[in-house]
Amino acid sequence: GAGVSQSPSNKVTEKGKDVELRCDPISGHTALYWYRQSLGQGLEFLIYFQGNSAPDKSGLPSDRFSAERTGGSVSTLTIQRTQQEDSAVYLCASSFRLAGGRDTQYFGPGTRLTVL
Amino acid sequence: QQQVKQSPQSLIVQKGGISIINCAYENTAFDYFPWYQQFPGKGPALLIAIRPDVSEKKEGRFTISFNKSAKQFSLHIMDSQPGDSATYFCAATRDYKLSFGAGTTVTVRA
Repeated sequence: GAGVSQSPSNKVTEKGKDVELRCDPISGHTALYWYRQSLGQGLEFLIYFQGNSAPDKSGLPSDRFSAERTGGSVSTLTIQRTQQEDSAVYLCASSFRLAGGRDTQYFGPGTRLTVL
Repeated sequence: QQQVKQSPQSLIVQKGGISIINCAYENTAFDYFPWYQQFPGKGPALLIAIRPDVSEKKEGRFTISFNKSAKQFSLHIMDSQPGDSATYFCAATRDYKLSFGAGTTVTVRA
């Protein structure tokens, strides 16, 4: 079946512009995650959605970052007034949450964001 | 700050050799330790994972060794193959929020 898809695959923008990154999770997965991968760094947790629960936004680096998940499926990560330090690969993952268990997060290929 | 420290940053191994990647953590609340493999242009994919009540887990050529008292765990890739050339990330979690190491780029020379 189809995996996690993300669009666009690459995005080049000018400093100060807003960008929207899209994630289509695996059908049926209840949980959705956004991570940021900067050059030479590990993945940094940004935000987590689970069903209809309030999202865990504890990883968002500033109030310029926001995300929403519509209809429990597609998610959009928005970065307002982009800065050069926002340049990174933004990865989305989804999983089917098991009560008391440890679910496997399936990652998309990422969106490479370059802020000039 | 990084909750999981990973080393080395990169390594080169000959085909058939053993690759060893080490990770250390501080948060004793972590109870699940997965390893991810990432190829260029792709997202990370789960390779193997372990819980702290087990000292070793083996899947094919990949083995995790876990030392709870030292708060360290490592990945061993036996009989390394050119197709194993990738970046490997260790991670730790106590629920859904994965804390990742910085990654190790493994190059297997034929």
